[in-house]
Amino acid sequence: GDSVTQMEGPVTLSEEAFLTINCTYTATGYPSLFWYVQYPGEGLQLLLKATKADDKGSNKGFEATYRKETTSFHLEKGSVQVSDSAVYFCALSDMGSYQKVTFGIGTKLQVIP
Amino acid sequence: EAQVTQNPRYLITVTGKKLTVTCSQNMNHEYMSWYRQDPGLGLRQIYYSMNVEVTDKGDVPEGYKVSRKEKRNFPLILESPSPNQTSLYFCASTPGQGYSPLHFGNGTRLTVT
Repeated sequence: GDSVTQMEGPVTLSEEAFLTINCTYTATGYPSLFWYVQYPGEGLQLLLKATKADDKGSNKGFEATYRKETTSFHLEKGSVQVSDSAVYFCALSDMGSYQKVTFGIGTKLQVIP
Repeated sequence: EAQVTQNPRYLITVTGKKLTVTCSQNMNHEYMSWYRQDPGLGLRQIYYSMNVEVTDKGDVPEGYKVSRKEKRNFPLILESPSPNQTSLYFCASTPGQGYSPLHFGNGTRLTVT
């Protein structure tokens, strides 16, 4: 079955540091890939997405590129802020399974001033 | 405002006492689902619904029931809650296409003693 692998963290960075959160996946079809962010006390919200190989999703300074050859969708940001502290979930949606969304375990990011 | 509304936000109950967590969306989405979030396990799907009167099991359906009598509502029912159902629960909806992101409610934190 489908699966998503990401580190749980926490990842602790100083403000303005470079961020990478790795995400790799296993899927039988041609999935769409997503990053969701969960701020404390809130539900998940979409951060960015990519629907086909080599697509780059971007939002709020975050980027991720859909790499089919390495089955990866790593999240990056050049300069993190304290307000980026949250839990980040990598996810995939397999078109063949009609909205069966598989999530990674979530990576907690703490940014310190 | 487009949103998914869950109630209650917090719920403490005792083993065996039936409870219902409500979920409502105002976006006319066809697809709705329930997830539970547990440390180290990420989000796991409990049940999903592709339309009115159409529901199916997710990855962890045991001990839960759902119904979809109206398009906007998708309640989660625990007929006889047990302590291992203590968790953070999220309802989500989406128009239904595989590349469409999920819209999440703010969560219901359930404690079963």
